[in-house]
Amino acid sequence: SSEVTQDPAVSVALGQTVRITCQGDSLRSNYVSWYQQRPGQAPVLVMSGKNNRPSGIPDRFSGSNSGNTASLTITGAQAEDEADYYCNSRDSTTNHWVFGGGTKLVVL
Amino acid sequence: QVQLVQSGAEVKTPGASVKVSCKEPASNWVHWVRQAPGQGLEWMGVINPSGDGTVYAQKFQGRVTMSRDTSTSTVYMELSSLRSDDTAVYYCARDHSRLDTDMGRYWWFDPWGQGTLVTVSS
Repeated sequence: SSEVTQDPAVSVALGQTVRITCQGDSLRSNYVSWYQQRPGQAPVLVMSGKNNRPSGIPDRFSGSNSGNTASLTITGAQAEDEADYYCNSRDSTTNHWVFGGGTKLVVL
Repeated sequence: QVQLVQSGAEVKTPGASVKVSCKEPASNWVHWVRQAPGQGLEWMGVINPSGDGTVYAQKFQGRVTMSRDTSTSTVYMELSSLRSDDTAVYYCARDHSRLDTDMGRYWWFDPWGQGTLVTVSS
């Protein structure tokens, strides 16, 4: 199945570490990409591949993979990190892409 | 990267069609993604650089047409037989891919357009 699932919401205290996960069978052989979306704005790429951050994305963002789970970790979360985060993966059998349902990150 | 530039908001009646444009100066594949109010991102499909190859999500097969005018660097997404649940913000995004020694090829979308709100209402 190409479906990928995310926890609907996660909270983290300011300055602490939080992990946002994305699960799916296809992730055993496919990397995901991660997107941050603040209210009223277009999504922005924050991570791709094994652990590739675009320029301009703080180094507190990191990516990892294990089995059927991809993770986006924010080490030392800041108030401006409060946003929705989406993972995306490609299904190699259908040549279709799929988004996870999104995780709302609340920074307390 | 500089955001892609999309056409403006549209209001349509049920059963009509809408055509959204996206200025994409690079010769890359381009994806279309939509987001209904308060909902998540939904992948609709992708078009190749020359405009003669498309892949559509099964949900939109038969209703969506993606096209490209290479002379003006513009990509289009047309959705027909509009319903109220097609009310959403529609985004275009540039495709990138790279080959990884462990997992093979992987993809990402960057940059995105600013989004086009399509409202379907009678």
